[in-house]
Amino acid sequence: NAGVTQTPKFQVLKTGQSMTLQCAQDMNHNSMYWYRQDPGMGLRLIYYSASEGTTDKGEVPNGYNVSRLNKREFSLRLESAAPSQTSVYFCASSEALGPTEAFFGQGTRLTVV
Amino acid sequence: GQSLEQPSEVTAVEGAIVQINCTYQTSGFYGLSWYQQHDGGAPTFLSYNGLDGLEETGRFSSFLSRSDSYGYLLLQELQMKDSASYFCAVRVINTGKLIFGQGTTLQVKP
Repeated sequence: NAGVTQTPKFQVLKTGQSMTLQCAQDMNHNSMYWYRQDPGMGLRLIYYSASEGTTDKGEVPNGYNVSRLNKREFSLRLESAAPSQTSVYFCASSEALGPTEAFFGQGTRLTVV
Repeated sequence: GQSLEQPSEVTAVEGAIVQINCTYQTSGFYGLSWYQQHDGGAPTFLSYNGLDGLEETGRFSSFLSRSDSYGYLLLQELQMKDSASYFCAVRVINTGKLIFGQGTTLQVKP
């Protein structure tokens, strides 16, 4: 019963490097989300995908791109990493619009030096 | 836009009752949810209020008043394991966007 799986769990990047964070869910959920969490800032929405084939900006999209590869997978790309992108990144999924519970992956701890 | 405000920290003693408030500004949403996150872990769902009033789940209760743009999470018979961060969240109508408050860190002392 995997739920939401994120890879990698830890990553260190140099400024200017690129990388893709992977997220997959096995619950047949329509909606998927990427958040970043910084101390004292809560969970801030980067991008979300309400359904397969659609993606939309959240609160803090600058410096990121996303791809909803299929219903299961939603990836987050940093094209040119900056120290300000040092954070913990969480992927989440939920069934659909409306009052449904969101399930989170275990997070990716990213440090940009 | 949408925003949710919570106190940053709350401290209480084991066995006590604590209330964590959430005030929000959002044009339309399906309901107010609460999530718990232990240090180093992922957020997990606790409760949901779709309608005004009180919802009870064991030691935890949650309340929503749409007319006051206000909700709260009530934790009773506090245990040490309740030390964690608690987030309120709303799903914005017709967009699928799920927005979280900044979180309240609860410290339970012996």
